[in-house]
Amino acid sequence: DAKTTQPNSMESNEEEPVHLPCNHSTISGTDYIHWYRQLPSQGPEYVIHGLTSNVNNRMASLAIAEDRKSSTLILHRATLRDAAVYYCILRDRGGGSNYKLTFGKGTLLTVNP
Amino acid sequence: NAGVTQTPKFQVLKTGQSMTLQCAQDMNHEYMSWYRQDPGMGLRLIHYSVGAGITDQGEVPNGYNVSRSTTEDFPLRLLSAAPSQTSVYFCASSAGIWADLYEQYFGPGTRLTVT
Repeated sequence: DAKTTQPNSMESNEEEPVHLPCNHSTISGTDYIHWYRQLPSQGPEYVIHGLTSNVNNRMASLAIAEDRKSSTLILHRATLRDAAVYYCILRDRGGGSNYKLTFGKGTLLTVNP
Repeated sequence: NAGVTQTPKFQVLKTGQSMTLQCAQDMNHEYMSWYRQDPGMGLRLIHYSVGAGITDQGEVPNGYNVSRSTTEDFPLRLLSAAPSQTSVYFCASSAGIWADLYEQYFGPGTRLTVT
């Protein structure tokens, strides 16, 4: 599996934008970039995913570099509820064993009031 | 929809005891899986199922059994608990396997301690 690299931790202030980076220099052409987050004492939850183009949904935006070797998850206005561990995960489009999610250690986001 | 539910929320076992962690989903999802999460680490896949009657091993299957007799339920059995199985266990489900279409939904977790 192609690997991802994320900072261990980041801090933000409430109501400010947050940019969470992810490096994936060995990404293949069929890998989708997925983001999940895990709030304290909860199971992970899906945030967003994309392939080449930037993506937006109600939770966040995903900006993907032109060479696809890095991406950035953008939370437009952080709230205290966004404090969580954020995981950047590559998933091949194909099925079979690629169904599994390979979690790294993620980035612990702290949001200051 | 209740989504993915897990019981119990907490469990303490003695070494050598057996038990079953329950997982159920009401979204008619074909794909279900079990992960474990140890302190400071990401989740690791234990077993998964791509439909009723079909299961397969993940990264860390030793010491665990699964079966899938219905679409809704995917129980995880610990055969003879060991302290190394102290962890938080998450069940997940998905409507499909294609990475461009389907996300996974996770349960709230079961915190297991083996003494």
